[in-house]
Amino acid sequence: DVKVTQSSRYLVKRTGEKVFLECVQDMDHENMFWYRQDPGLGLRLIYFSYDVKMKEKGDIPEGYSVSREKKERFSLILESASTNQTSMYLCASLSFVTGADAYEQYFGPGTRLTVT
Amino acid sequence: KQEVTQIPAALSVPEGENLVLNCSFTDSAIYNLQWFRQDPGKGLTSLLLIQSSQREQTSGRLNASLDKSSGRSTLYIAASQPGDSATYLCAVTRAGNQFYFGTGTSLTVIP
Repeated sequence: DVKVTQSSRYLVKRTGEKVFLECVQDMDHENMFWYRQDPGLGLRLIYFSYDVKMKEKGDIPEGYSVSREKKERFSLILESASTNQTSMYLCASLSFVTGADAYEQYFGPGTRLTVT
Repeated sequence: KQEVTQIPAALSVPEGENLVLNCSFTDSAIYNLQWFRQDPGKGLTSLLLIQSSQREQTSGRLNASLDKSSGRSTLYIAASQPGDSATYLCAVTRAGNQFYFGTGTSLTVIP
């Protein structure tokens, strides 16, 4: 079974702090994603990475950066946390299902971040 | 841009009832569609993956169908149980880095 883990389930930070959220997958997947999930807005893509040191902006990258130094690890960084970044953050990795010609996403358990 | 809609937003049914959750999307050029379950405060768990060339997939009491031409998918849950209570999300994939999620249907199964 694919396993995607996130460093914290719950996190409380103060406005202006630098925040690191880490995600690790154990299936050698090349593609990894960071989403945030808010009531009524669904999942929104922040950043994704398709290889080590490679990254692409998603729909809402402002206020965030990412780091992918190793294939299994994808970090989301809030440079200066603000209250509007209070949210559930979900990491995912992507498997291409050979023979099925389909892409399947696997999600971590999520990090509930509160910025006060 | 692809838009994914799930109606209803919330559904409450008595235990044992069969039910259908709906997912519609605006652009039929998709690779595949995935149904997820999300328990409160937790991540998404993949339930079923339907390739664009398939019409349906089954896993236990779950059956998902896909009609690309009409931009619709349904998730059928047979003999619902209280443990099925969760939010169900669908997501369509256009390419390896393009995923579009619905906002989900919150299901409550009443014992």
